[in-house]
Amino acid sequence: AQKVTQAQTEISVVEKEDVTLDCVYETRDTTYYLFWYKQPPSGELVFLIRRNSFDEQNEISGRYSWNFQKSTSSFNFTITASQVVDSAVYFCALFNAGNNRKLIWGLGTSLAVNP
Amino acid sequence: NAGVTQTPKFRILKIGQSMTLQCTQDMNHNYMYWYRQDPGMGLKLIYYSVGAGITDKGEVPNGYNVSRSTTEDFPLRLELAAPSQTSVYFCASSFLTGRNQPQHFGDGTRLSIL
Repeated sequence: AQKVTQAQTEISVVEKEDVTLDCVYETRDTTYYLFWYKQPPSGELVFLIRRNSFDEQNEISGRYSWNFQKSTSSFNFTITASQVVDSAVYFCALFNAGNNRKLIWGLGTSLAVNP
Repeated sequence: NAGVTQTPKFRILKIGQSMTLQCTQDMNHNYMYWYRQDPGMGLKLIYYSVGAGITDKGEVPNGYNVSRSTTEDFPLRLELAAPSQTSVYFCASSFLTGRNQPQHFGDGTRLSIL
């Protein structure tokens, strides 16, 4: 079975704090893709990153970084020096070849960054 | 490029009414999807399409219908609106299988059934 678990329902931090959002996935496939999306209060869904299962190199994009560890089936997302504009719901999603071309979504983590 | 365009943005329906949520994309994506997002919840796949003329059910298809007569358009139809269908509906599209491509989302349609 394929599954994505985001155990943190809500996180609240103060501006400039670092925060890590956890994502644990389950899949039997060896080839799969992991995504993170951001949903700000305005409601739209914004693509952040895609990572395939053969690339375990961590990625950094500005204040955002992602830690992909196949050994623990995790794809965690860290925001460094958080800002109020980072307040949003963040979704992790899994896509694999045996899943009829559908993304499996986590339930999301609501991040509140307070001034 | 407009990306994925959904209309309307908001709608209130009475129980039993029908309506069509429109979705069009100008990126020549072959894959299109309809999701619903209930308050405080994640996304649930309603229907998807891998190309013109081909559609398939997702996780929660009951009460909905779709068609894909062109690559660009993927309308979602509610035949007999029920309060349980109150939700935010997102249309998305992606290129090829989506393996190497993210899904691009429309801005959503907020639908209330009263």
